Amino acid sequence: GAGVSQTPSNKVTEKGKYVELRCDPISGHTALYWYRQSLGQGPEFLIYFQGTGAADDSGLPNDRFFAVRPEGSVSTLKIQRTERGDSAVYLCASSLFGGPSSTDTQYFGPGTRLTVL
Amino acid sequence: GESVGLHLPTLSVQEGDNSIINCAYSNSASDYFIWYKQESGKGPQFIIDIRSNMDKRQGQRVTVLLNKTVKHLSLQIAATQPGDSAVYFCAERGSGNQFYFGTGTSLTVIP
Repeated sequence: GAGVSQTPSNKVTEKGKYVELRCDPISGHTALYWYRQSLGQGPEFLIYFQGTGAADDSGLPNDRFFAVRPEGSVSTLKIQRTERGDSAVYLCASSLFGGPSSTDTQYFGPGTRLTVL
Repeated sequence: GESVGLHLPTLSVQEGDNSIINCAYSNSASDYFIWYKQESGKGPQFIIDIRSNMDKRQGQRVTVLLNKTVKHLSLQIAATQPGDSAVYFCAERGSGNQFYFGTGTSLTVIP
């Protein structure tokens, strides 16, 4: 595809429910990032994948949050037992190679707006 | 954790004037910095980056200045246009490959 896509664009759920958010990175990009952006704030790092493996998940707030990237392309962010405080825009980004010394540009998707009632 | 912040939350400039957006960062070990532009309802868009071994980098109508002594980053936009209206974020790379974003500055260009 032309860019990073995320589905759904909007998700409304009830407190305690389980949600999955999907990210389709740019074809061929090995690095994939998830961020969370609350209203009026900058994106907050959650997790970074290099290929299929989570290279850094230090930003995941707690064990209710989990992300996978089984084939090294599409990634799913999973949130269990959602809480009202999880309401935010969840952004995904991809870059060609990534890595600690990389200056590859991160291309962001439009985000999924999650609302927990 | 890392701390990246912006001096001014909002900035209004006349069309055609130059804009300067500032950012303070806290981690003196950060080696890489990026400026992003975010329009309403969209994800951040890369504008320009700079490595810590540089103090200035220029792009098309944009310049980033890095002052490591005072841990300060600025974005200069020349001849600001209405299409430049957006929220601007600076981001720094922490240890590993995490990126930490500031709160953002909302730029409004007055026609």
